[in-house]
Amino acid sequence: NAGVTQTPKFQVLKTGQSMTLQCAQDMNHEYMSWYRQDPGMGLRLIHYSVGAGITDQGEVPNGYNVSRSTTEDFPLRLLSAAPSQTSVYFCASKRGPYTDTQYFGPGTRLTVL
Amino acid sequence: AQSVTQLDSQVPVFEEAPVELRCNYSSSVSVYLFWYVQYPNQGLQLLLKYLSGSTLVESINGFEAEFNKSQTSFHLRKPSVHISDTAEYFCAVSPSPFTGGGNKLTFGTGTQLKVEL
Repeated sequence: NAGVTQTPKFQVLKTGQSMTLQCAQDMNHEYMSWYRQDPGMGLRLIHYSVGAGITDQGEVPNGYNVSRSTTEDFPLRLLSAAPSQTSVYFCASKRGPYTDTQYFGPGTRLTVL
Repeated sequence: AQSVTQLDSQVPVFEEAPVELRCNYSSSVSVYLFWYVQYPNQGLQLLLKYLSGSTLVESINGFEAEFNKSQTSFHLRKPSVHISDTAEYFCAVSPSPFTGGGNKLTFGTGTQLKVEL
């Protein structure tokens, strides 16, 4: 198993540009989520999904969109990037909403100029 | 609602010395508790977890944590640290199943453990 994979590893955007961060898992996990990590703030939940076709907002959803058309993939879209979205983004998955262990991807480091 | 407090942002310690990383939480329902470790330029890995049963839980690399319900704490300890333990450590909490508390994992702000020679 590859586990949770994320692409790209690094990205630089200009203010106003759009892009999609890709996330995939091969563990047949129902629950997937996106976090952003900022210095001194830990990880904050952006959006999550409890299964294909079902998504919901987390703690900091503004400026981000998600969709879940398959069990394996959970892309995160930035429609109009802002410098405040400069961060490290982690995708995670777990077997179900109430199972315990989350598995994290390696992260995408995004810089918005 | 739930929250996690890690009061120490950085903990420097000499190799082979003991260390304790503090974690306190608040929640209106029963919880699962976790410690995750993040090595430089990597994602988070689960270090250990408390779900139920024995309040003392251990990891395979010598860390242990004790769930203290009365003090709402889940401090992480290691009796003798190694250089390779240098990393950032995150405490996290989620509601136990079927408590009506939802299913989200809430993280603390992290503690950077720096082991020096």
